[in-house]
Amino acid sequence: EAQVTQNPRYLITVTGKKLTVTCSQNMNHEYMSWYRQDPGLGLRQIYYSMNVEVTDKGDVPEGYKVSRKEKRNFPLILESPSPNQTSLYFCASSLGGELQETQYFGPGTRLLVL
Amino acid sequence: AQSVTQLDSHVSVSEGTPVLLRCNYSSSYSPSLFWYVQHPNKGLQLLLKYTSAATLVKGINGFEAEFKKSETSFHLTKPSAHMSDAAEYFCVVSNTGGFKTIFGAGTRLFVKA
Repeated sequence: EAQVTQNPRYLITVTGKKLTVTCSQNMNHEYMSWYRQDPGLGLRQIYYSMNVEVTDKGDVPEGYKVSRKEKRNFPLILESPSPNQTSLYFCASSLGGELQETQYFGPGTRLLVL
Repeated sequence: AQSVTQLDSHVSVSEGTPVLLRCNYSSSYSPSLFWYVQHPNKGLQLLLKYTSAATLVKGINGFEAEFKKSETSFHLTKPSAHMSDAAEYFCVVSNTGGFKTIFGAGTRLFVKA
């Protein structure tokens, strides 16, 4: 089954404790992206990747890191989480390129930073 | 620069009546436009997309949207609402290739029996 998976689905952590949220897709998509969703703000793009080893900042990159060492995986790293990073996070992927921008979303990761 | 404005944060309709969810966008080039739906505690699903072919775009579950360049609008409509349409709807604009993506703040649709 074609899908985007995220782990963990739910996470409670404390301020400053490094964490990684994994994202994997099995559709051989070139493009992957991370978003955070907050009430009243919709989804905001954190980082995106156009291919292996090619990443760029979205609108809200502060406090986050990403890497794209393999085509299928795009982990999101919070080196020193803070309470304002409490949010619902979505990973997405698409084929990329003109007319192929439909994004497929993972189920979401709900993060609480105490 | 791109931006998306969803004109209503909440819309309430009765079952069987038409649905209109409004979206205005701005873009310095020809954008790709999308509507996604998010049901409670679920991920996002593509409803429809516009990518410079026909201006009237048909999507899943009876939804459609019309691209109006002169009005910079991409409103979502459905002739007859169903209870299962109750969800949050997002209007989305992206650049060619879909790398930079901007979501609207969302419109929550309530459907009354």
